[in-house]
Amino acid sequence: EPEVTQTPSHQVTQMGQEVILRCVPISNHLYFYWYRQILGQKVEFLVSFYNNEISEKSEIFDDQFSVERPDGSNFTLKIRSTKLEDSAMYFCASSGTSGTSTDTQYFGPGTRLTVL
Amino acid sequence: AQKVTQAQTEISVVEKEDVTLDCVYETRDTTYYLFWYKQPPSGELVFLIRRNSFDEQNEISGRYSWNFQKSTSSFNFTITASQVVDSAVYFCALSEANAGGTSYGKLTFGQGTILTVHP
Repeated sequence: EPEVTQTPSHQVTQMGQEVILRCVPISNHLYFYWYRQILGQKVEFLVSFYNNEISEKSEIFDDQFSVERPDGSNFTLKIRSTKLEDSAMYFCASSGTSGTSTDTQYFGPGTRLTVL
Repeated sequence: AQKVTQAQTEISVVEKEDVTLDCVYETRDTTYYLFWYKQPPSGELVFLIRRNSFDEQNEISGRYSWNFQKSTSSFNFTITASQVVDSAVYFCALSEANAGGTSYGKLTFGQGTILTVHP
């Protein structure tokens, strides 16, 4: 069964460093998302991506964040200068084989980012 | 703005008990979608169900059942004869389809309910 994959599973970085979190969405999906979950809290939307551009972003997704789909399979989230409060689990999700954005989103296993 | 409330922070039951997880939502849209996801201790988010706002039929899948009531803006989830493997955090989520005509499927999650099933 197709699934969303994410690498690495755990990333430890120093404050101020850049990190890139990688995701491979399900191959025929059209919509891509990043969410984050601070430990013990709810899952929060960061950004959605469709047709090679950002379609929606939250207040969390400031200038320090960027997303890219560099080729036909990968979808990346970059944090330019990490802060302590960026420590969280980051989930990638994908959906939409029919061009409908409200298809079910399937989530990857997450990348746990720890900023020291 | 859309909002999801899961008032039960934690529920603890003994195996074989039935348990209901509550979910109340707020939205101004007439077309929207509701979801339940399970997050086991391993941390991944597992899709359980998707329901659109025009379909108020209750659904049953094995030991799981869902009760959608638009009149009370609720989408409750019941596990019948709970098992230890049901122990997880359960999230209810909402996606608006017509947010100004430019909705791209953003999910708004509730705070989650931690379910612990004891043997």
